Amino acid sequence: GAVVSQHPSWVICKSGTSVKIECRSLDFQATTMFWYRQFPKQSLMLMATSNEGSKATYEQGVEKDKFLINHASLTLSTLTVTSAHPEDSSFYICSARDLGGVVNIQYFGAGTRLSVL
Amino acid sequence: QKEVEQNSGPLSVPEGAIASLNCTYSDRGSQSFFWYRQYSGKSPELIMSIYSNGDKEDGRFTAQLNKASQYVSLLIRDSQPSDSATYLCAVMGSSNSGYALNFGKGTSLLVTP
Repeated sequence: GAVVSQHPSWVICKSGTSVKIECRSLDFQATTMFWYRQFPKQSLMLMATSNEGSKATYEQGVEKDKFLINHASLTLSTLTVTSAHPEDSSFYICSARDLGGVVNIQYFGAGTRLSVL
Repeated sequence: QKEVEQNSGPLSVPEGAIASLNCTYSDRGSQSFFWYRQYSGKSPELIMSIYSNGDKEDGRFTAQLNKASQYVSLLIRDSQPSDSATYLCAVMGSSNSGYALNFGKGTSLLVTP
């Protein structure tokens, strides 16, 4: 099946710093990628939809200036958590739709666990 | 607010038994439904997808869809301890949402030896 690579898998940072997370589709092209966040014992919540070559669409309550998304190519989307604070500590997961495959299927990255001290 | 509801569990079944997981959704226009398995600390893994009313079988897994009742279920036959995980029901949104997935909170399954 299609593979989505997400890096880093774990990051620990000090409060106030910025963290960049990369999401790559390794063997397929994805015009649309999705960013989810999951707090402990909770389900995945969609943060934003990343569209290649255009601005991301953010869900209600997600600050676009805090969570910067760039989707510059058909295989790469990045999420930057700016001025991270302890309440941003969470499990961030990206997913991508394969244009050339079964378009309704989303493939997930392995996730990034962010801990802000 | 489009909702996906699941019983959080935990659902405990003995090894070899059938595990039955249920999900209801609120958006009557939904067309695509998925079951994901998530182990603790890991990313979701796709188990089944279903788009039409009725049953869809894949190995030990059977997904059932009833659009009139807005109900999706997953049956796991011959449950194994390795099936112990959280099972997430996901419903795909419309093209307006970019086909994003709306997840339920998940049902924790424990298969006891």
